[in-house]
Amino acid sequence: SQTIHQWPATLVQPVGSPLSLECTVEGTSNPNLYWYRQAAGRGLQLLFYSVGIGQISSEVPQNLSASRPQDRQFILSSKKLLLSDSGFYLCAWSRRGPGGELFFGEGSRLTVL
Amino acid sequence: QKEVEQDPGPLSVPEGAIVSLNCTYSNSAFQYFMWYRQYSRKGPELLMYTYSSGNKEDGRFTAQVDKSSKYISLFIRDSQPSDSATYLCAMILLSGNTPLVFGKGTRLSVIA
Repeated sequence: SQTIHQWPATLVQPVGSPLSLECTVEGTSNPNLYWYRQAAGRGLQLLFYSVGIGQISSEVPQNLSASRPQDRQFILSSKKLLLSDSGFYLCAWSRRGPGGELFFGEGSRLTVL
Repeated sequence: QKEVEQDPGPLSVPEGAIVSLNCTYSNSAFQYFMWYRQYSRKGPELLMYTYSSGNKEDGRFTAQVDKSSKYISLFIRDSQPSDSATYLCAMILLSGNTPLVFGKGTRLSVIA
């Protein structure tokens, strides 16, 4: 069966510090990978998605970046965090081809102070 | 006009009630429709997945799709306090490599 792991689960960071959130998927190959952000009281905002190693599509201009160094690894980064980066970050994967239902990780709650 | 509209609630019902959650959409090219359930501080989990117009039932849950009206619904029968969560509708075009489009979610509370 497929599983998705995301870490860290919770982190508190000062403004201007770097960020690295990591996500890995097990039990499948060539998945589509996604990073979402969910701010309090708001819906899911798609940040990045990837259909293959080194292929990243950005949906929203911001100070975040994503990388996919391996087939089942997806990393969300920032060089300098802003207060507005606080939120609940979710990694997700889907199979290739029609259908495309997403399977989410447990999320990472980021508080920037 | 947003692609997917969903009333954010909150919706509060007594235990045992029938709950109706709805989404409307504007793009007639959407072909696959999903409902996700998200408990507080957790990732969303896939609840229902439908392709064609009509009804799909799974236990106490029924998903309904009306493509002619661009309207989807999720019904919960005999609602339980454990159903208290945020419910998000999602839909996708026929091509599998385009991202899902989500509604903003409806927060449901089932009161014992």
